[in-house]
Amino acid sequence: AQKVTQAQTEISVVEKEDVTLDCVYETRDTTYYLFWYKQPPSGELVFLIRRNSFDEQNEISGRYSWNFQKSTSSFNFTITASQVVDSAVYFCALSELRTGNQFYFGTGTSLTVIP
Amino acid sequence: GAGVSQSPSNKVTEKGKDVELRCDPISGHTALYWYRQSLGQGLEFLIYFQGNSAPDKSGLPSDRFSAERTGGSVSTLTIQRTQQEDSAVYLCASSPETSGFYTDTQYFGPGTRLTVL
Repeated sequence: AQKVTQAQTEISVVEKEDVTLDCVYETRDTTYYLFWYKQPPSGELVFLIRRNSFDEQNEISGRYSWNFQKSTSSFNFTITASQVVDSAVYFCALSELRTGNQFYFGTGTSLTVIP
Repeated sequence: GAGVSQSPSNKVTEKGKDVELRCDPISGHTALYWYRQSLGQGLEFLIYFQGNSAPDKSGLPSDRFSAERTGGSVSTLTIQRTQQEDSAVYLCASSPETSGFYTDTQYFGPGTRLTVL
């Protein structure tokens, strides 16, 4: 079974629009970590954020914000006022304390921001 | 400081040949991971090294795949008798430490694009 699901395969938005990338995860552990990575056209994955399962406080970093809801097992990522440089593939990932060495990645969401 | 580096950046080989992919982790990082990313797909975990512990090879797709990590630093992923389905981008990542209490962020290299003809 897929532990991390990113149902949106591709999204296109016009510059300055807000966009939310969905991530739903599945785990039986009470202690786990969630991540978002950005993979621009250059190919190198860039770390964006890590959250642990005990901290449901939403986080904002500039134009980026993350909404962690344990009740729905979701960790959604919103980009406000999108820019062309935001065009990339975004991956959500899960790591469980029980198997801390293994990361489970979603299949990614390809975001295209149209100027 | 320097990030994770991988070489070669691109490798084209003929079916049946062996290939070696190299990863230099960030200095001081004790954990090292190999992943495979096929076209349009997510990341597939292959193998994990942590310090001097025995590696977690649970993700290796077949016995044609193997990896070593010498001196707790540089790692080499070897694919023997390559097949066309091995064509993918192979990504290496390192992290400072993984313990039972927390999981560190992974920092990725640029990857090696392998094409098996």
